[in-house]
Amino acid sequence: EVQLLESGGGLVQPGGSLRLSCAASGFTFNSYAMSWVRQAPGKGLEWVSVISGTFGSTHYADSVKGRFTISRDNSRNTLYLQMNSLRVEDTALYYCAKISGYSSGYQNHWGQGTLVTVSS
Amino acid sequence: EIVLTQSPGTLSLSPGERATLSCRASQSISSSYLAWYQQKPGQAPRLLIYGASSRATGLPDRFSGSGSGTDFTLTISRLEPEDFAVYYCQQYGTSPGTFGQGTKLEIK
Repeated sequence: EVQLLESGGGLVQPGGSLRLSCAASGFTFNSYAMSWVRQAPGKGLEWVSVISGTFGSTHYADSVKGRFTISRDNSRNTLYLQMNSLRVEDTALYYCAKISGYSSGYQNHWGQGTLVTVSS
Repeated sequence: EIVLTQSPGTLSLSPGERATLSCRASQSISSSYLAWYQQKPGQAPRLLIYGASSRATGLPDRFSGSGSGTDFTLTISRLEPEDFAVYYCQQYGTSPGTFGQGTKLEIK
C-alpha cells in the first residue's frame, strides 16, 4: 500500500524559510516522479513542483520559481521542498503526491498534507 | 501555461440524478493528458479519471470521463450520497500541470 507522510509545516514569518519532508513507502520510490501540490484555505488546488525519478529533473510553478527547491533522497525514500523567502500568499496545506510515471503524469496517490502558515 | 476552466462552479442535484461536469482548456491538451480528482471536506484529493477516460482502480462505473482536445467532461450517471464533493480537472501533458478551479457538487 502506498503511503505518503508529510511533515515540517508550521508558522513562519514573511521572508522566512521552511523545509517540508514527505516519507514514502509501499512502492519503488526512485522509479516515480514526485510532486508538491498546495491548497490555500478555502481555495482550489495549485500545482507547485515536480521532480523526476532517479535523475531528478525539476519543474516549478511561476509563483514559486526561484524561491522553492524540490529535491529527493532516494536512499531514504523521502521527498523535500525547501521554501525560502516565504510570503503570506504561500499559506496553504501542502500535499505530497506520487506521480504515475518516471518523469511526468497524474497524481495517483496523495498524502494528507502539512499546513504552512506565513504570518507576522 | 494551460488554463483550465471548469463549469458550473456549483451544481445542485439530488441523489439518483445524473451529473455532468465540464472542463475546458485554453489550448489543446496533448494525448488527452487530462485527469479528474474528487475532494471531500478535510480529505486529500482522490484520483478518479486519467487519460481523459480511464477509471482509477476501484472506481465505480457510474463515473465516466470523455473528451479530447480542449473540451472534457466528467459524468456521474446516478449520484450516490457519497459523491457530493468538489471535483477538479488537471492537465498533465505540459508543465506546469495546472488544475481547474473546481466544481462543487452539492445536494439539492
